[in-house]
Amino acid sequence: GAGVSQSPRYKVTKRGQDVTLRCDPISSHATLYWYQQALGQGPEFLTYFNYEAQPDKSGLPSDRFSAERPEGSISTLTIQRTEQRDSAMYRCASSHGETQYFGPGTRLLVL
Amino acid sequence: AQSVTQLGSHVSVSEGALVLLRCNYSSSVPPYLFWYVQYPNQGLQLLLKYTSAATLVKGINGFEAEFKKSETSFHLTKPSAHMSDAAEYFCAVTGGYNKLIFGAGTRLAVHP
Repeated sequence: GAGVSQSPRYKVTKRGQDVTLRCDPISSHATLYWYQQALGQGPEFLTYFNYEAQPDKSGLPSDRFSAERPEGSISTLTIQRTEQRDSAMYRCASSHGETQYFGPGTRLLVL
Repeated sequence: AQSVTQLGSHVSVSEGALVLLRCNYSSSVPPYLFWYVQYPNQGLQLLLKYTSAATLVKGINGFEAEFKKSETSFHLTKPSAHMSDAAEYFCAVTGGYNKLIFGAGTRLAVHP
């Protein structure tokens, strides 16, 4: 596509529910990143994919967080048993080279 | 390890005044450095980047930044602020395989 898209743009959920966030990268981009941005902070790296491979999951806060990119294009980030501290903006970016292009983000609120 | 420090979480300038947003970085390897801007309800947009070529980098909307290795700095400037420049600005450094390490951001307010 023309740019990185993310859905949903906003998600409100209750504590304990599972949520899945979606990222559709720029079509020619091999690398896809997920970041978490708390209010008043800069984005923090969660994980990344090179095509369908996921070389680094070290930024994922706990085993409740997981990400997939099964066909090397669209990616999903799933948070199981959500907690209030998971409330944040979740940003996806894709790149071909050193520049990352960001989507609009998904704002998650856990009540 | 890489890190970024942005001095001043809020900066306020008058329209037409110089904009200076400060960024200092730490990196154990030659860094790539970036400035991104975030407008309300929008994603992060790349303003400019340094990738070991010219140390003075020009970006969009009249912004520029100078890489100073001796000072480990990459400050963002614009000679004359416009109302439309009001936004949040993030400095970032690569942390390996292009993973970005961001600063906490600086919110720029522009007053008439």
